[in-house]
Amino acid sequence: SQKIEQNSEALNIQEGKTATLTCNYTNYSPAYLQWYRQDPGRGPVFLLLIRENEKEKRKERLKVTFDTTLKQSLFHITASQPADSATYLCALGAGDNFNKFYFGSGTKLNVKP
Amino acid sequence: DVKVTQSSRYLVKRTGEKVFLECVQDMDHENMFWYRQDPGLGLRLIYFSYDVKMKEKGDIPEGYSVSREKKERFSLILESASTNQTSMYLCASRGQGDTIYFGEGSWLTVV
Repeated sequence: SQKIEQNSEALNIQEGKTATLTCNYTNYSPAYLQWYRQDPGRGPVFLLLIRENEKEKRKERLKVTFDTTLKQSLFHITASQPADSATYLCALGAGDNFNKFYFGSGTKLNVKP
Repeated sequence: DVKVTQSSRYLVKRTGEKVFLECVQDMDHENMFWYRQDPGLGLRLIYFSYDVKMKEKGDIPEGYSVSREKKERFSLILESASTNQTSMYLCASRGQGDTIYFGEGSWLTVV
């Protein structure tokens, strides 16, 4: 079965530094991968999508890379701010028309002022 | 903006009760999903629906059923609630694009 792994340990970084989160997957070849942000007690919110033929995608201070050979995606937040503190989830589409979406368990990011 | 509304934010139910969790989306999306989220286990797909009256099991359908009589509404049903179904339940929808839109979640406690 598909397996998506994210570092379960919280990532603690200082304000202004770049945060890098990792998503690894096995037994699957997704057409694309997504990243979501989740704040405590709230539903996840979509941030970025990267397709299998894209190596890198950027949106403001966010950057995502996708290495289909390593079966890995990296999510970077540059010039991090305390407001970036949240849990970040990666997700893969599966099944016919990629209707089934599978999520990693998320990595909690703490940005200290 | 897309809005996915879950009718109940917090519920407390007794073991053996039948529980309905309702979800409505306002963007005419074909696909709707129910997940549960537990610490350390992430989001696990219970059921999804790709059209009215159509449904497909996710990874953990046991103990749950769903209903999609209208395109905008997707209901999750716990036929006989058990304490191991205490969790946060998230409804989501997706249209022709790739983005999934989530509701705010329903916290269910079964005592």
